[in-house]
Amino acid sequence: KAGVTQTPRYLIKTRGQQVTLSCSPISGHRSVSWYQQTPGQGLQFLFEYFSETQRNKGNFPGRFSGRQFSNSRSEMNVSTLELGDSALYLCASSLGETGSYTDTQYFGPGTRLTVL
Amino acid sequence: AQKVTQAQTEISVVEKEDVTLDCVYETRDTTYYLFWYKQPPSGELVFLIRRNSFDEQNEISGRYSWNFQKSTSSFNFTITASQVVDSAVYFCALSEAAGRRALTFGSGTRLQVQP
Repeated sequence: KAGVTQTPRYLIKTRGQQVTLSCSPISGHRSVSWYQQTPGQGLQFLFEYFSETQRNKGNFPGRFSGRQFSNSRSEMNVSTLELGDSALYLCASSLGETGSYTDTQYFGPGTRLTVL
Repeated sequence: AQKVTQAQTEISVVEKEDVTLDCVYETRDTTYYLFWYKQPPSGELVFLIRRNSFDEQNEISGRYSWNFQKSTSSFNFTITASQVVDSAVYFCALSEAAGRRALTFGSGTRLQVQP
């Protein structure tokens, strides 16, 4: 079974620009979560999508948004980029069933975003 | 609010040594889930283990073992006879309640295994 894939793997943008990152979950997984990893703040939860709806949200400004398509693929968008948005953005997928005691998130390789 | 503490920032051992990575967590939920992930230099987080709060049984998988102690809010990870390929950053994580997928991660422990 193919794992979680993320594209692109590397991105370089300048301040003020916007960026869109893509994530394809493991086949059969309906939940996609996004995380930001920086040296200063570590790994932080951005949001989770399930059945095309945002189900959970972390503590990030509105410049960070996402969406999920009917095939469970997800995109994350960051508008008006700031230098501090430079990070590794990780996507994780899981079955997503509410109340499941065995649901586990499996991560993709990440997209490394550099903002100049 | 939930919190995960990995007090060991970096550990260096020589191959074949045993090493234990500590994880202490805080949560107000009675049902929660604990995880360990490995992050090699490539960046991808690799799932190692999941433990539900109502299952305190310790687990062994090959050279890896996990010790879950609810009384001390700890979920420690031991690698027996470490190998160079074990070099990575290891993260302990916590999620509360079955409906939430948000993982709260510790700051990670960088393990370097010298040949």
